[in-house]
Amino acid sequence: QKEVEQNSGPLSVPEGAIASLNCTYSDRGSQSFFWYRQYSGKSPELIMFIYSNGDKEDGRFTAQLNKASQYVSLLIRDSQPSDSATYLCAVNMVGDNDMRFGAGTRLTVKP
Amino acid sequence: GAGVSQSPSNKVTEKGKDVELRCDPISGHTALYWYRQSLGQGLEFLIYFQGNSAPDKSGLPSDRFSAERTGGSVSTLTIQRTQQEDSAVYLCASSLAWGPAFFGQGTRLTVV
Repeated sequence: QKEVEQNSGPLSVPEGAIASLNCTYSDRGSQSFFWYRQYSGKSPELIMFIYSNGDKEDGRFTAQLNKASQYVSLLIRDSQPSDSATYLCAVNMVGDNDMRFGAGTRLTVKP
Repeated sequence: GAGVSQSPSNKVTEKGKDVELRCDPISGHTALYWYRQSLGQGLEFLIYFQGNSAPDKSGLPSDRFSAERTGGSVSTLTIQRTQQEDSAVYLCASSLAWGPAFFGQGTRLTVV
């Protein structure tokens, strides 16, 4: 079983819709969770991080964490074509204390 | 510096040659990561440094790969006897302990 799993997509949504990206992780003791956006040919850039169960909102982005179910999600409201990118979920694994990434979900927002 | 700096940006090398890739992390960041990303693929973990602790080398794909971090700051990833399958973008990131990691612009390595 992979440590961090994401649906590779592609996920396509119309402009203005809500895009929902999901991620599951294997280490129940994981403490820190991150979402990165990566445009083609560029490095990953941090969008959000979340440490506690529940929701965390930042502008059009909402991160949701459910430690009991071992999943973390990212909602993008009012999706824009500029949101088209690959979204990477990352988890700090307790014990190893390093950061492992999912394979990423490719999102396309159609005008 | 303001961000993570990697050099060179691009490197073309002949098969069998050794290469060194450099990463200068954000000042004060205790953790430093190296990842590899092949075209169209996800991030492959290579090695992790945290403060003065022994590095986590569990992701290094073979003994041709090695990395060091001098003085808790700059890190060098060395690939000996390069092979064509080593061609990829090598990404470095740094963070404060368990905090979010910030990436450099990467080094694109092409082995011909």
